[in-house]
Amino acid sequence: AQTVTQSQPEMSVQEAETVTLSCTYDTSENNYYLFWYKQPPSRQMILVIRQEAYKQQNATENRFSVNFQKAAKSFSLKISDSQLGDTAMYFCAFIPYSSYGQNFVFGPGTRLSVLP
Amino acid sequence: KAGVTQTPRYLIKTRGQQVTLSCSPISGHRSVSWYQQTPGQGLQFLFEYFSETQRNKGNFPGRFSGRQFSNSRSEMNVSTLELGDSALYLCASSTRGQLAGGQGQFFGPGTRLTVL
Repeated sequence: AQTVTQSQPEMSVQEAETVTLSCTYDTSENNYYLFWYKQPPSRQMILVIRQEAYKQQNATENRFSVNFQKAAKSFSLKISDSQLGDTAMYFCAFIPYSSYGQNFVFGPGTRLSVLP
Repeated sequence: KAGVTQTPRYLIKTRGQQVTLSCSPISGHRSVSWYQQTPGQGLQFLFEYFSETQRNKGNFPGRFSGRQFSNSRSEMNVSTLELGDSALYLCASSTRGQLAGGQGQFFGPGTRLTVL
C-alpha cells in the first residue's frame, strides 16, 4: 500500500522567516508525481507545487521550493519569507505515474500558522 | 476558465435522510474525484469518475454512491445519513483521469454537510 506521512501536525513561524514542512512516502513505484496542496482556513484547496520523480532538479515556485530525496522517499516543502497569507493546512500528496485507475494519496496535513 | 464549482455549499440534514451533492468540473476536465475531509480522518478518497464510468473507489460503505453525466458534471449521493457522515465533501477535477497526475487536481470549495 502507498502511504504519505506528515510528521508535523502543527507548526508556526514568524512572518518573513523560513519554514520547512516534512513529508515522507512509501511506494514501490519508480515513476510518480508528488504535490503540495494548501488549504487556507475556510477556503479552497489549491496546488502549491509539484515534482516529477524522474526529475532530479527540485521544483521551485516563487517563495516555495521542495527538497526531493528519492532514495529516502522524502519530499519537504520550504517556504521562504513567510507571509500571513501562508497560514493554512498543507497536504503532501502522491500519485503513481502509470496511475490509471489509481487515486491520489494524501498525507494527514500540517497546520501552519504564520505569526505577525 | 471557471474553476470547479460545488453545490450546495452548506447542508444540514438529519439522521436517516439522504443527500445529493453536485460538482461541475473545469471545462475540458473529464475526471472527477470525490473526497471526504474530517478533522479526525483527514482527506479520504471516495471515488473517481471518468467518462461517465466509475474508475476507482475508496473504502466507503455502499451508502455512498456517485455518477457522472455526459457533460462531466458529477453527483454523489449518501443514503441513510449517519452522524459520522458530517464532513466537508470535496470534489476535484483533472484531465485524462488520474493518469494526468502531472497536472495535479483542481479542487472545488467543498460542501459542508452537517448531520443532526
